[in-house]
Amino acid sequence: EVQLVESGGGLVKPGGSLRLSCAASGFIFSIYRMNWVRQAPGKGLEWVSSISSDSTYIYYADAVQGRFTISRDDAKNSLFLQMNSLRAEDTAVYYCAREDYVRGAFDLWGQGKMVTISS
Amino acid sequence: SSELTQDPAVSVALGQTVRITCQGDTLRGSYASWYRQKPGQAPLLVIYGRNNRPSGIPDRFSGSSSGDTASLTITGAQAEDEADFYCNSRDSSGNLVVFGGGTRLTVL
Repeated sequence: EVQLVESGGGLVKPGGSLRLSCAASGFIFSIYRMNWVRQAPGKGLEWVSSISSDSTYIYYADAVQGRFTISRDDAKNSLFLQMNSLRAEDTAVYYCAREDYVRGAFDLWGQGKMVTISS
Repeated sequence: SSELTQDPAVSVALGQTVRITCQGDTLRGSYASWYRQKPGQAPLLVIYGRNNRPSGIPDRFSGSSSGDTASLTITGAQAEDEADFYCNSRDSSGNLVVFGGGTRLTVL
C-alpha cells in the first residue's frame, strides 16, 4: 500500500526538542521531494520545510528557520524533522507530504502527528 | 508577495455550482494545486496543474486560472463535498511553498 506514516509526536516543554519521523512505503521514496506541513488547532495549513530527492536543496519557512532540521534516509525510506527550541506556537498536527516533481503538487499525505508544546 | 488569499467561507446549495478562488502574485507564473480536508483527516489533492484530477477524484471538480487568480469549481456540489479547501503553490523563487488560508465550503 502506498502510504506515509508519521511517528514521534507528543508533549514537550517550551525550549525542548522533538524528532518526527515519516515512514514511506509502496513507492520509490528516493525520487520524490518531501515536505513537512503543519496545522495549528483550528487553523489552516502551513508549509514548514522541504527536501529535494537528493537532499541537495533544503528550505524552511521563516517561522522555523534555524530551529528545525529536515533530513531523509533513502535506504530506510524515511523522512525526519528535528525540532529544537520549541515554542508554544509550534503546537500543531505535523504532516509529511510527498511532492511529485511533474505534478508540482503534494499528492500523498501522512495521517499527521500531534505535537504539543506546553509547560 | 508570497501570500495566497482565499475567502474564508463559501456556501452552495446542493446540486449547484460553486467556485472557490485563490489569489496571489505567485500565481502569475505557476499553477495552484487544490486540496480538500475533511474534519480529522489529512488533506487530499483534488486538482493540480492546469486542470488535472488525481485518480479517484470526481469529474465535478475542475480548476482554472487567470492572471493572479486560480479557481476551483465544483459543478453539482454534493453533501460529501462539505470540507475545507486549500490552494498552494511555490513562490516566485520556486524554493518556498505557500498555502492559502483555506475556504470552508458549506453545502446547504
